[in-house]
Formats: sequence, structure tokens, C-alpha cells
Amino acid sequence: EVQLVESGGGLVQPGGSLRLSCVASGFISTDVWMGWVRQAPGKGLEWVAISRRGGSDKRYVDSVKGRFTISRDPAKNSLSLQMNNLRAEDTAVYYCASDRGEVWGQGTLVTVSS
Amino acid sequence: DVVMTQSPLSLSVTLGQPASISCRSSQGLVFGDGDTYLHWFQQRPGQSPRRLIYKVSNRDSGVPDRFSGSGSGTDFTLKISRVEAEDVGIYYCVQDTGWPWTFGQGTKVEIK
Repeated sequence: EVQLVESGGGLVQPGGSLRLSCVASGFISTDVWMGWVRQAPGKGLEWVAISRRGGSDKRYVDSVKGRFTISRDPAKNSLSLQMNNLRAEDTAVYYCASDRGEVWGQGTLVTVSS
Repeated sequence: DVVMTQSPLSLSVTLGQPASISCRSSQGLVFGDGDTYLHWFQQRPGQSPRRLIYKVSNRDSGVPDRFSGSGSGTDFTLKISRVEAEDVGIYYCVQDTGWPWTFGQGTKVEIK
């Protein structure tokens, strides 16, 4: 059974950067979509970015385009999310998820505040 | 973007009674391969989401058979045949037929 473990969350000032990482304990095919879902405090779920085929196919929700970069390292079974120019509205728990949500991590909290 | 609309947004159910959640999409969800990428997730308080149903009506491994999904086109339903205490939480439908993949607002299920 595949498990996903995220790390890298924390408190950052507006305009700052943060890099989230997700490591899978088992094998995940490069043909499978992996991505990041966020949940603002007390709010619903939002897919932010997804990646497939070793990272050659990437998608971003409009609100993070140009600021976030998703990357995937199949050799390390890992997924990353580089977040730049962070805004208060990016404050959320960020979940790593694979295969259209079949497997989820425990989430990591990102707080953007001065 | 495809808008997913759930109803009701809140549901109070007596233990052992059935519950039903509706999800409507603003566009049809059939993908080019003929499959419909509409799924249901449960999020218990303080936990990560968990997928219950994938592609409309397929139960994920370990999901009790009291959960069932149905629907087609733009109208979909999640049913719980007999609500148990462990079913308390928020339920989301989501489409991943077209990017951006979008969730419904969520339906909060509580015990009456």
C-alpha cells in the first residue's frame, strides 16, 4: 500500500517562498497523475497543480500560475511544489495526492502572514 | 471551469437511516475514453480526505458497501444506506474530466 508523506510547510511572509515535498513509500507509475490539493482554514478542497509522465505534463489552477512550480522525481518517488511570491490567500493545508485522489498524505500547513 | 454544485450543504441523519447527497456539474463529465471521471470523497473531522467512490459508482478498497454512487451526464448521487456514527464528516464530489479538476462545496453530515 502506497503512503504519501509531505513536509516543508510553515510560516512565511507575504512575497516569500516555500518548497513543499512529498515522498511516496511505494512505487507510483509515471503514467499516474500526482498533485497538490489545498484546503484553506474552514473551507473546501481545491486542486492546485498536477503532474504526469515524469513531469513533462503539468497543469496549474489560474490563481497560482506563474508563482507555483510542480516537479516530480520518479527515481526518488517524490513530488515537490515550489511556491513563490506567496499571498495571504495561499494560506492552507496542502495535501499531496496521487492517482486522482486514491492516496493522500497527511497534509502540511502553509501560513502566509506578516 | 466546470462548476460542481452539491445539495444539501448540510444533512442531519438519525443513526441507521439512509442519506443521499446530490452533485450536479455545469457540463457533462464523459471523457474521451468513454469514462466519467466523477468521484466522491469523505473527510472526517481532523483527517485527510479519503476517496469512497471513483468513476461514478465504483467503491474503493475497504469502503463499506452501505456507500453507493450513481448517476450520469450532469447529475450524480452518493447514497449511504444506513448511516453509522463513523460516517460523520464532510462529503465532496469532484470531477477530473477536465482541468482544472473541481470539487463541490461539500456536504456536512451529522448525526441527529
